Amino acid sequence: QKEVEQNSGPLSVPEGAIASLNCTYSDRGSQSFFWYRQYSGKSPELIMSIYSNGDKEDGRFTAQLNKASQYVSLLIRDSQPSDSATYLCAFPGGKLIFGQGTELSVKP
Amino acid sequence: DVKVTQSSRYLVKRTGEKVFLECVQDMDHENMFWYRQDPGLGLRLIYFSYDVKMKEKGDIPEGYSVSREKKERFSLILESASTNQTSMYLCASQDYTEAFFGQGTRLTVV
Repeated sequence: QKEVEQNSGPLSVPEGAIASLNCTYSDRGSQSFFWYRQYSGKSPELIMSIYSNGDKEDGRFTAQLNKASQYVSLLIRDSQPSDSATYLCAFPGGKLIFGQGTELSVKP
Repeated sequence: DVKVTQSSRYLVKRTGEKVFLECVQDMDHENMFWYRQDPGLGLRLIYFSYDVKMKEKGDIPEGYSVSREKKERFSLILESASTNQTSMYLCASQDYTEAFFGQGTRLTVV
């Protein structure tokens, strides 16, 4: 089993809809998780970090962590075309492992 | 303003050449990483380092080596470049809350 797995893309949503991105992980000892956004041709940039069970909200973005289910998700409300990018989940378990990424396309 | 700088944005090398990719960070971070990124495969960890002169293999170290003689500099070395090493290479530097990436080096081996 891979250490971090993301739902396969590409994911296409209409403008204004909610985009849901998911990630599962195998290391039960993981304490924190990151969501990175990567625009085409650019380097990844951090958009959310979450350290405890439950939800964390930042503007239109909500990260959800469920340690019992080893599951972390990112919700993007009121999706905009500018949100079109690849989203990567990661956990800094020493090695800083990334999922394979989910490509999101928001259609006007 | 944090900065991770990779020595080249684009690089073209011939098969069998020894290739050096350099990465410098100005944040005094102990942890540094080298990844390669290929379509559909995400970011795959090649090597990482926790401190000067320390290195650990990542998931795909074959064909690569690294050097960290100074805290701010982490070099990736392709001992004998091959066409299957054509890829985007990303360097990252990490504190306890975030990893910062360089701009990436797109390496083509012909």
